Amino acid sequence: GQNIDQPTEMTATEGAIVQINCTYQTSGFNGLFWYQQHAGEAPTFLSYNVLDGLEEKGRFSSFLSRSKGYSYLLLKELQMKDSASYLCAVEGGGNKLTFGTGTQLKVEL
Amino acid sequence: DSGVTQTPKHLITATGQRVTLRCSPRSGDLSVYWYQQSLDQGLQFLIQYYNGEERAKGNILERFSAQQFPDLHSELNLSSLELGDSALYFCASSNLPGSTNEKLFFGSGTQLSVL
Repeated sequence: GQNIDQPTEMTATEGAIVQINCTYQTSGFNGLFWYQQHAGEAPTFLSYNVLDGLEEKGRFSSFLSRSKGYSYLLLKELQMKDSASYLCAVEGGGNKLTFGTGTQLKVEL
Repeated sequence: DSGVTQTPKHLITATGQRVTLRCSPRSGDLSVYWYQQSLDQGLQFLIQYYNGEERAKGNILERFSAQQFPDLHSELNLSSLELGDSALYFCASSNLPGSTNEKLFFGSGTQLSVL
């Protein structure tokens, strides 16, 4: 089976840096995704990691350690519009993508 | 705009009823995925179709069924509805049958309320 854990909610200040962690236990591993979802809207793709290490894309970076079953999403220079739910998703055996319950990030002034 | 179209946007119905949710994937995408999202749960994978054939099955109840038509649009049928079926139902599409590095494009969802 698949088990994905992420914090339920986090709060950070505008302009700061925040790290959202995700740990997973899956049968098979074909990659890890991060999606952003604003309330009542569709999830949108942020990043993809399949090899260990850091992938940087603008203000967002994502890290993966396959041996530890661990990933994090790093958001820099936080903006108010970054307030959203961040979903960690793992593609396991059978190419099935399983989502975590998401981390609700609140960015404050 | 992801290019994935879902209708209707909102649906209100009563327990015991049956509804059909519709999804048109992005132009050129062959795979359609259905997900259910409740308030207290993450996105739960229901079922995937690729080019008209069922590809993968998740936690889909027997009361639910889906199909993908020759024009690649898909329908999710929910029957004998219960209060607990109230949720946001998302459709997503991709070009490949299900593989690494293939991000999903999500529709805006159908909010189902069972009263």
